[in-house]
Formats: sequence, structure tokens, C-alpha cells
Amino acid sequence: KQEVTQIPAALSVPEGENLVLNCSFTDSAIYNLQWFRQDPGKGLTSLLLIQSSQREQTSGRLNASLDKSSGRSTLYIAASQPGDSATYLCAVRRGDYKLSFGAGTTVTVRA
Amino acid sequence: GAGVSQSPSNKVTEKGKDVELRCDPISGHTALYWYRQSLGQGLEFLIYFQGNSAPDKSGLPSDRFSAERTGGSVSTLTIQRTQQEDSAVYLCASSLSIMNTEAFFGQGTRLTVV
Repeated sequence: KQEVTQIPAALSVPEGENLVLNCSFTDSAIYNLQWFRQDPGKGLTSLLLIQSSQREQTSGRLNASLDKSSGRSTLYIAASQPGDSATYLCAVRRGDYKLSFGAGTTVTVRA
Repeated sequence: GAGVSQSPSNKVTEKGKDVELRCDPISGHTALYWYRQSLGQGLEFLIYFQGNSAPDKSGLPSDRFSAERTGGSVSTLTIQRTQQEDSAVYLCASSLSIMNTEAFFGQGTRLTVV
């Protein structure tokens, strides 16, 4: 069974600091890994998709790495802003095509 | 439409009534997923469709839950004889294929059973 763990569960940083969010998964047989953002009371917004054959993906201030062999992904957010405050979720697409989600990391960026 | 659309956005129903939740995926997306998010909980897989077929229904919590997809497009999740524990946000997602493409989520339907 695929277990996805996100550490830390919550994070509070002052504006301008870089954010580092971690995601680990137990089964390396994945198609891809996707990072999402969820604002309170809203749906999920896709941030980055990393295919299993890739090592990293970048979009603006966001960079995500993937080490499939060790079952880890890290999302870096550079120069954080108050608008980055949200819950960040990682999900792996398993061999049975389902998306397995972590519980998320809730980020607060203090102005 | 440009994104995944779910309706209604909010639904309050009395215990024991049936409800239907609708999902309009992004045009051309063959894969469609339903998830449930209970208060303070993670996302729970319910069912996915490849075209109109549902290869895996193992996530449906009980036989009160059913889902269908017609024309490879719109999907409906039906909950019969609703219970209070069914209260949650029901999220729908679609992707171009079931394997290696990006999944896009709708805004969800918040179901409250009173």
C-alpha cells in the first residue's frame, strides 16, 4: 500500500524566507508526483507535475525535486510572500492509476 | 469550460434523503476521479473513470454510494439515504489520461447532512 507522508505538518516563516516542504512515499513504482495548493474552503490548484523519469521541475519561484529511488520529493518556494499562505499537498500517481495524497503542510507567511 | 466544474457548490440535505453531485471535466479528458475530504482529514479516494468505465470502485464507502459517467464527459456521484458521516467536501478531478498527465481539480461540493 502506498503511504505518503508530509513533514512538517505546519510551518510559519517571515516574509522573504525560502520555504522547504517535504514529501515521502513508500512505493517507488509511481507514474508521477504532483504538488498542489489548497486555500481554505477551496479546491486544489495544481502547482507542478514531475514525471517519474524527471529529477526536477520549475515554475517561477517554485522548484520541485524528485528522488524516486529514495521515495522523496521536496518543494522549494523562494522568497515567500503572504499570498503563499495555504496548505500544500503532494500526491503520487500509483501503478493502479490512483492518486495517493499526503496530509499536507499548512504554511503561514508572516508579513 | 476552462476548468473542472462541480455543482452544486454547497448542498444541505436531511438525513435519509438522496443527493446527486455533478462533475463536468475539462473537455477531452478521459480520466475522471472522485475524492472526499472530511473536516481536518486528508483526501480519500472514492472512484475513478477511464472513459465511461469505472475499473476500480473499491474506494466507495458503502453500497449507498454509486457513480456513473456518460458520453465520456459528465459524471454524477449519487449518495442514497444520506447519513451525517457523509458530510464532507466531495472533489472531482480530471486528467488527459490515467497515467502520466496532470490532474486538475474542481472547487468541490460541500455536503452537509442535518
